[in-house]
Amino acid sequence: NAGVTQTPKFRVLKTGQSMTLLCAQDMNHEYMYWYRQDPGMGLRLIHYSVGEGTTAKGEVPDGYNVSRLKKQNFLLGLESAAPSQTSVYFCASSYRDGHTDTQYFGPGTRLTVL
Amino acid sequence: GENVEQHPSTLSVQEGDSAVIKCTYSDSASNYFPWYKQELGKGPQLIIDIRSNVGEKKDQRIAVTLNKTAKHFSLHITETQPEDSAVYFCAAIYRAAGNKLTFGGGTRVLVKP
Repeated sequence: NAGVTQTPKFRVLKTGQSMTLLCAQDMNHEYMYWYRQDPGMGLRLIHYSVGEGTTAKGEVPDGYNVSRLKKQNFLLGLESAAPSQTSVYFCASSYRDGHTDTQYFGPGTRLTVL
Repeated sequence: GENVEQHPSTLSVQEGDSAVIKCTYSDSASNYFPWYKQELGKGPQLIIDIRSNVGEKKDQRIAVTLNKTAKHFSLHITETQPEDSAVYFCAAIYRAAGNKLTFGGGTRVLVKP
């Protein structure tokens, strides 16, 4: 059981370039999330998905797009990267039992936009 | 929307002493409060959580207390050890926004040997 994996681990982009971050989970979770983590600001939700084929906006969705074509994968895309998108990106997945929302996080992707 | 405030932002303790981190939340409908530990270069990991139908939960050296009336909850770490050094995040579920978690800003804990 690998849990939640993310690729790549590190990436440097130039302003205006595009890229896709891949998240995969092997726990058969319905829900998946993308967060960004900036110094002193904790974790902020970018987009999330409640099931295969569905996506929804989180707290800071601008400049990002997502897709959930397969239940186990959740992709985060940056169409035209900006320096403000320099951050550490975490993917998470969860099951829900009606009362809790236990989220399991991946190891993160450190993105630098020059 | 939901707002979760976490204090302090940094905490330095001597090995063996206790550490306490406090969080307040705004959504009175929130009923699930997890705590995550993030070690350097890794993703956050759940260490303990509490539901609103209980006031306290303990797991070895860590405990969480919840005061629903005051809308605050706390993490207590006793007999701290160097391996407790990490960033800790509290969170609350935001029922009015699709049951999403809202995180506090984090507390960097340093345990000095």
